[in-house]
Amino acid sequence: NAGVTQTPKFRVLKTGQSMTLLCAQDMNHEYMYWYRQDPGMGLRLIHYSVGEGTTAKGEVPDGYNVSRLKKQNFLLGLESAAPSQTSVYFCASSYSRRDQSTDTQYFGPGTRLTVL
Amino acid sequence: GQNIDQPTEMTATEGAIVQINCTYQTSGFNGLFWYQQHAGEAPTFLSYNVLDGLEEKGRFSSFLSRSKGYSYLLLKELQMKDSASYLCALSLTDSWGKLQFGAGTQVVVTP
Repeated sequence: NAGVTQTPKFRVLKTGQSMTLLCAQDMNHEYMYWYRQDPGMGLRLIHYSVGEGTTAKGEVPDGYNVSRLKKQNFLLGLESAAPSQTSVYFCASSYSRRDQSTDTQYFGPGTRLTVL
Repeated sequence: GQNIDQPTEMTATEGAIVQINCTYQTSGFNGLFWYQQHAGEAPTFLSYNVLDGLEEKGRFSSFLSRSKGYSYLLLKELQMKDSASYLCALSLTDSWGKLQFGAGTQVVVTP
């Protein structure tokens, strides 16, 4: 099992450009999450999904869109990148219908995004 | 909302014990998580407390007191590889599955 994977690992964008970050999990998890992590601010939830075809806003959703067309994939889009979106982005997944004992989240390796 | 407070940084010597405190203010939560995050890497799960008391896992222990709004992570027999950030997170009752993270405590282990 690969767990949670993210592509790309690094990316540099110019202001106004767009891009999509891909997250994939092979643990048959129902829930998936996108976070951003900035120095001194911890992990902040951008958007999340409680199942295929559903998405919801988190704490800092502005400037981002998401889609969950397949259970194993969760995409994060930046339509018009801004320097304030320079951050490390983590994807996570949780909850299997087989194991409902915890809601432990498992994280991908992260994407380091710089917007110039 | 939920306020989660952790010290920013702690320094300890190899072989020693360090206690990382986490205090919170919330109307309700399912349980409290601790994650470890090495520089440049993803957070990894360490422990989960639902009930009050101590949970022990080898060199790491986590304690929760709901009445006092307080948790701590205890790291014993510190090793150099324990140098990392330790994140406290609450599992929120108003939306199952969502976690609210503290800013993390950077632990520096010195020889």
